[in-house]
Amino acid sequence: EADIYQTPRYLVIGTGKKITLECSQTMGHDKMYWYQQDPGMELHLIHYSYGVNSTEKGDLSSESTVSRIRTEHFPLTLESARPSHTSQYLCATSFAGTFNEKLFFGSGTQLSVL
Amino acid sequence: DQQVKQNSPSLSVQEGRISILNCDYTNSMFDYFLWYKKYPAEGPTFLISISSIKDKNEDGRFTVFLNKSAKHLSLHIVPSQPGDSAVYFCAASGSGGSNYKLTFGKGTLLTVNP
Repeated sequence: EADIYQTPRYLVIGTGKKITLECSQTMGHDKMYWYQQDPGMELHLIHYSYGVNSTEKGDLSSESTVSRIRTEHFPLTLESARPSHTSQYLCATSFAGTFNEKLFFGSGTQLSVL
Repeated sequence: DQQVKQNSPSLSVQEGRISILNCDYTNSMFDYFLWYKKYPAEGPTFLISISSIKDKNEDGRFTVFLNKSAKHLSLHIVPSQPGDSAVYFCAASGSGGSNYKLTFGKGTLLTVNP
């Protein structure tokens, strides 16, 4: 079944730790995205990729980094977590070759940095 | 400056009645609009979309209306059910420049009371 998998679902970690949020998809989509969302706020695009070896920063500045070595895998890394990184991180995919973006989202990772 | 505005942070309706969620936008380049539904600690799921060549799109209990001159769209849910209780995000995209990337509103929390 086509899907988007995010792990872990919940992560509580101490300040200064390095973390990697995983995102894998079996949708067959070329485009992948990372959004950050806090309660009562809009979803903010922090990274996106249009294919292998293609990564771009989004509208919201983020200290995280991403990589796209395989089409189906788009991990997000924080080298040194801080309490300000506490948020929900959402991975999404969409078809390539269309201007009308319809995003499909994973279940998200709720990150809490103490 | 917010380009997609959902001015009602919350809405409460009785089961069986109509729910109307509103969204305003400021960017005249937006020509494709979507509604997403989000439960706490989950990723958003796509509900319904509309392109600017139409003024209405219907899918079961969900209808989206678009008023281009007023730069306003609304989502109608009839009849409302307790399972509809969630946060609803309005999103928009357009052609040209960076407008093709989805811009989200802050969401409206809908509570449907039994």
